[in-house]
Amino acid sequence: DQQVKQNSPSLSVQEGRISILNCDYTNSMFDYFLWYKKYPAEGPTFLISISSIKDKNEDGRFTVFLNKSAKHLSLHIVPSQPGDSAVYFCAASADNQGGKLIFGQGTELSVKP
Amino acid sequence: KAGVTQTPRYLIKTRGQQVTLSCSPISGHRSVSWYQQTPGQGLQFLFEYFSETQRNKGNFPGRFSGRQFSNSRSEMNVSTLELGDSALYLCASSYRTSGGRNTGELFFGEGSRLTVL
Repeated sequence: DQQVKQNSPSLSVQEGRISILNCDYTNSMFDYFLWYKKYPAEGPTFLISISSIKDKNEDGRFTVFLNKSAKHLSLHIVPSQPGDSAVYFCAASADNQGGKLIFGQGTELSVKP
Repeated sequence: KAGVTQTPRYLIKTRGQQVTLSCSPISGHRSVSWYQQTPGQGLQFLFEYFSETQRNKGNFPGRFSGRQFSNSRSEMNVSTLELGDSALYLCASSYRTSGGRNTGELFFGEGSRLTVL
């Protein structure tokens, strides 16, 4: 049972344009969401997060939007740069789950020059 | 400060063998989590340790076990290896307080790539 789903395994975007990565979840208990970026041969690194009491969080070129009623979140990268090419994972946590994060399968973003 | 260190980085084992992976968290971090990454499955939670106690466990068979030492270093062990255990095993540490939850970053190591032949 995949509680966090990233339905697009890959995404290709032109440099300078917007990249939109999507994530859906099924567990209503999730109340904190995070995005991680992973380069080959490296561990994932934290990118941005959002609490369920918000619907938007922005950090520079990165913005995460949360739609609780649709159980959907998205990560917007504007403008996209070739260095953004990586695998992006969304993750969710619930208050009763301690340190456990549930990750999606990941979306591989390719930004073309 | 030094990041999360995992050893070994790569290893090859045969079916039926057992393996031990090691993780040294960032200094001051008391929570250590382990994840398995396989193609198409994303990162799947194995377990979390805090103050030498397992606080949470994922849906993996009992062949997967772990422990945490008083200095917060952690090891995970997989016994009776199967071909399907081939994966990247990632360790992550966080500054999570006792009874608290992860609302911030997990700091991941580079992983231990296990190949089972």
